[in-house]
Amino acid sequence: AQSVTQLGSHVSVSEGALVLLRCNYSSSVPPYLFWYVQYPNQGLQLLLKYTSAATLVKGINGFEAEFKKSETSFHLTKPSAHMSDAAEYFCAVSPSGNTPLVFGKGTRLSVIA
Amino acid sequence: KAGVTQTPRYLIKTRGQQVTLSCSPISGHRSVSWYQQTPGQGLQFLFEYFSETQRNKGNFPGRFSGRQFSNSRSEMNVSTLELGDSALYLCASTRLEEGGVGYTFGSGTRLTVV
Repeated sequence: AQSVTQLGSHVSVSEGALVLLRCNYSSSVPPYLFWYVQYPNQGLQLLLKYTSAATLVKGINGFEAEFKKSETSFHLTKPSAHMSDAAEYFCAVSPSGNTPLVFGKGTRLSVIA
Repeated sequence: KAGVTQTPRYLIKTRGQQVTLSCSPISGHRSVSWYQQTPGQGLQFLFEYFSETQRNKGNFPGRFSGRQFSNSRSEMNVSTLELGDSALYLCASTRLEEGGVGYTFGSGTRLTVV
């Protein structure tokens, strides 16, 4: 069975600092991996997805993630945090692109001015 | 184009009642999935419908059910509501025929059971 572990339920960074949100997965097959963002009282918005085409994936709002098979990781990064990045971030895995998503518990990102 | 539309946005129900939530997918998307989000359990998959047939089912009691109509709109129903059913219910749609490009989520229905 697939599972996702997000290290750190809450991450706090200063505005302009590097954002690093960690995600490790377990999957018996090469997975599809996703990062979603959720703003208060809203649904989930897709930031980026890994579908085996390239290990470094660029997403919206300046975010990117690197798939590392040897480390079973798919960490999300952004070089410079903005106040508007404050939200909850979810990593998700799917054994194929069209099977139910298994989500991590989420990481709440706070950005300090 | 319009996104995934969920109605209503907010609901307050009493224990023991039943509730029906609605989801209209993106035009052309024939797969609709439902997820429950709670602070304690996080995001959990309820079920998925494709072409009016349940394609996948999560590990929820039979009180949770769903259906899909010929226009791909979906409803989920929860009978005999319990306090623990209070949650944000999210609907997502995708175009399965393309081999999966990820799911687009609606804004959710916030259900409060009192």
